[in-house]
Amino acid sequence: KQEVTQIPAALSVPEGENLVLNCSFTDSAIYNLQWFRQDPGKGLTSLLLIQSSQREQTSGRLNASLDKSSGRSTLYIAASQPGDSATYLCAVRPGIYNQGGKLIFGQGTELSVKP
Amino acid sequence: DTGVSQDPRHKITKRGQNVTFRCDPISEHNRLYWYRQTLGQGPEFLTYFQNEAQLEKSRLLSDRFSAERPKGSFSTLEIQRTEQGDSAMYLCASSPWTSGTYEQYFGPGTRLTVT
Repeated sequence: KQEVTQIPAALSVPEGENLVLNCSFTDSAIYNLQWFRQDPGKGLTSLLLIQSSQREQTSGRLNASLDKSSGRSTLYIAASQPGDSATYLCAVRPGIYNQGGKLIFGQGTELSVKP
Repeated sequence: DTGVSQDPRHKITKRGQNVTFRCDPISEHNRLYWYRQTLGQGPEFLTYFQNEAQLEKSRLLSDRFSAERPKGSFSTLEIQRTEQGDSAMYLCASSPWTSGTYEQYFGPGTRLTVT
């Protein structure tokens, strides 16, 4: 059974700091992995999607890496800003042939960036 | 493209009442997903549709829950005889057939409170 874990559960950093959020999954047979952002009481916004054949994806100040063999992904945020404060969720699409099925989510990392 | 919409955004009901939520996916997205999220946790998969066909249901979807997508466009999720444990955020997502990544786009959610 695929399980996704995110550590730490909460993180507080001063503005301007570079930071790394961690995600681990128990079964390396995944189709792809998505990172999402969720503001309090809101829906999810997709940040980055990494296919199982890829090692990393970048968008602006965000960089996500994937090491399928070790069951790990990291989300790197450069030069953090107070507007980055939110909960960050990692989700895997299990099964190498899982074309369009469910996502399995971690519990999220709540990030607070202090001015 | 107006994104995924959900209605209502908030619902307060008394235990034992029936409730129905609606999700309108991004137009031409043929896959539609329902998830449930409780406080401090990541979303949990409930069910998904490809066009009007319900392809997968989670064991979380008890007999009191039913989802439909009658014409392959909008979907409804009904909860009968609500219980306090049903209080959660209900999230809908959609994804296109042709993208290859099956990236899911989420709506703002419906927050259900059962008193």
